[in-house]
Amino acid sequence: GAGVSQSPSNKVTEKGKDVELRCDPISGHTALYWYRQSLGQGLEFLIYFQGNSAPDKSGLPSDRFSAERTGGSVSTLTIQRTQQEDSAVYLCASSLGQRSGQYFGPGTRLTVT
Amino acid sequence: AQSVSQHNHHVILSEAASLELGCNYSYGGTVNLFWYVQYPGQHLQLLLKYFSGDPLVKGIKGFEAEFIKSKFSFNLRKPSVQWSDTAEYFCAVNWVNDYKLSFGAGTTVTVRA
Repeated sequence: GAGVSQSPSNKVTEKGKDVELRCDPISGHTALYWYRQSLGQGLEFLIYFQGNSAPDKSGLPSDRFSAERTGGSVSTLTIQRTQQEDSAVYLCASSLGQRSGQYFGPGTRLTVT
Repeated sequence: AQSVSQHNHHVILSEAASLELGCNYSYGGTVNLFWYVQYPGQHLQLLLKYFSGDPLVKGIKGFEAEFIKSKFSFNLRKPSVQWSDTAEYFCAVNWVNDYKLSFGAGTTVTVRA
């Protein structure tokens, strides 16, 4: 079946601009996660959504980062006033539950110039 | 803070050699354990997972991992590697009642033909 999809695959933006990254999880998966992968920091958790519960935002690095999940499916990660240190690959994952394993999308490579 | 450590940054070996990658996590209660693989140019894929029961778990592509509770370890093994096993391998943990994954820094494995 279809896996997790993300768009765009690559995004180049100027410092100070806002960007939106999209994630389509695997159909039926109730949990959705955002991580980022960078050379200096490895794989870092950002935020996750589980069903109708309030999202766990504990990994968001600053208030410039926000995310929403509409209709329990698609999610959008928004970064406002981008900075060069935001350059990374942003990964989305989804799962059926805590024990089912998380399935990752191909990521969005963000470059802030 | 809870953490995951992988012992080796880069491992180089020849085809047919045996592989063992170390992973340790900090104590924090009951855990769920995972190994992910990222082949060059591809996204993260789940290799195997452990939740409970038999501490020796088998995954895809001939990989297995052993959970040793007393050592807080979850080492990945493969008896005979192939050139196609060249990839980066990540150990990941989530603590019970917490959905987010904490990742190790990753180990790059290069298999020479």
